[in-house]
Amino acid sequence: AAGVIQSPRHLIKEKRETATLKCYPIPRHDTVYWYQQGPGQDPQFLISFYEKMQSDKGSIPDRFSAQQFSDYHSELNMSSLELGDSALYFCASSLVGLTEAFFGQGTRLTVV
Amino acid sequence: AQKITQTQPGMFVQEKEAVTLDCTYDTSDQSYGLFWYKQPSSGEMIFLIYQGSYDEQNATEGRYSLNFQKARKSANLVISASQLGDSAMYFCAMREGLDNAGNMLTFGGGTRLMVKP
Repeated sequence: AAGVIQSPRHLIKEKRETATLKCYPIPRHDTVYWYQQGPGQDPQFLISFYEKMQSDKGSIPDRFSAQQFSDYHSELNMSSLELGDSALYFCASSLVGLTEAFFGQGTRLTVV
Repeated sequence: AQKITQTQPGMFVQEKEAVTLDCTYDTSDQSYGLFWYKQPSSGEMIFLIYQGSYDEQNATEGRYSLNFQKARKSANLVISASQLGDSAMYFCAMREGLDNAGNMLTFGGGTRLMVKP
């Protein structure tokens, strides 16, 4: 069965650079969530989209932005990267009316 | 205040034995969902089991069962017949509201389970 696809799996960037993370949800899923998991931390919610509109916002820095496109894939854009942005970034998708949210394998971002 | 509390940072269990991972939650909502995820060292987040606040029966999925005690606001995960491959970090999570219309998951701090051969 198709799962949530995230790309790239690994990314190394320098401070002050920009990064774009992509998420392709499970087909027919209409909701996408982004989470950030720092080393040894639990995942922290960043932002979510339902039917291409932002539905909830968590602790997402102003340097980050995200959107969901007409094909339901989502991109997380991160600018002016800082060392503290190094983390595992998860995307999850779900379908309204279902209970489970399925996670992708994550993108490991390292800022040097 | 913490919405999800996992009081066991790390646990050992002998292979083939059962183990209970604790999770307590805090919400004033009547409608909510509780989740358990497994995160192996490779990093992916694997969905294990779900319990809705209105579900009267405890959820079960294979070797996983959720001991849901609503009055005590606890949702402990029970893993029966532990296997070496169960060694991982386990996260309890809650979603307030029962549907998926953008409602986020709030995670606990996790419990690292180590299965001894």
